[in-house]
Amino acid sequence: AQSVTQLGSHVSVSEGALVLLRCNYSSSVPPYLFWYVQYPNQGLQLLLKYTTGATLVKGINGFEAEFKKSETSFHLTKPSAHMSDAAEYFCAVRKSSSYKLIFGSGTRLLVRP
Amino acid sequence: EPEVTQTPSHQVTQMGQEVILRCVPISNHLYFYWYRQILGQKVEFLVSFYNNEISEKSEIFDDQFSVERPDGSNFTLKIRSTKLEDSAMYFCASSAKGPVNSPLHFGNGTRLTVT
Repeated sequence: AQSVTQLGSHVSVSEGALVLLRCNYSSSVPPYLFWYVQYPNQGLQLLLKYTTGATLVKGINGFEAEFKKSETSFHLTKPSAHMSDAAEYFCAVRKSSSYKLIFGSGTRLLVRP
Repeated sequence: EPEVTQTPSHQVTQMGQEVILRCVPISNHLYFYWYRQILGQKVEFLVSFYNNEISEKSEIFDDQFSVERPDGSNFTLKIRSTKLEDSAMYFCASSAKGPVNSPLHFGNGTRLTVT
């Protein structure tokens, strides 16, 4: 069965600091991997996705993630945090044969001035 | 930018009552989904819908749940006899193609409170 683990329910960084949000997955087949962001009182918005090809994926708002098969990880990074990045971030995985996205429990990013 | 619209934003109902959650997907999208998030828990897949039929459903989506696209624009989730544990945020989503080839666009959710 597929699952997603996000380490750290809350991450706090200073404005301008590196953002690192961790995601590990388990899957019996090569997965499709996603990061979504949720701002307060809004729906989930796709940040980036990995399907095939280049393992370093760039997304919106300066975020990127690297698929590391050997580590079963898909960590999300941003070199310099901005106050507007404060939100909840969800990692998700999907099998190629399924419509279903399986989400992690989410990480709330706090950005300190 | 087109968006997925969900109404109402908050619905309160009594246990045992029927409730219908409404969604207007993006107009040229062909795939439709419902997810839910119980407070403090993960976002969970309920059902996907394509070509006027359910393409996949989770074990949560039992006989108490149904989906419908009644008029070509709305996409509804019906819960026939609500239970306390149905209290959650329900998210509708749509995509132009399958979920890998095109991103899911989520609505802002309907918070369902069952008392």
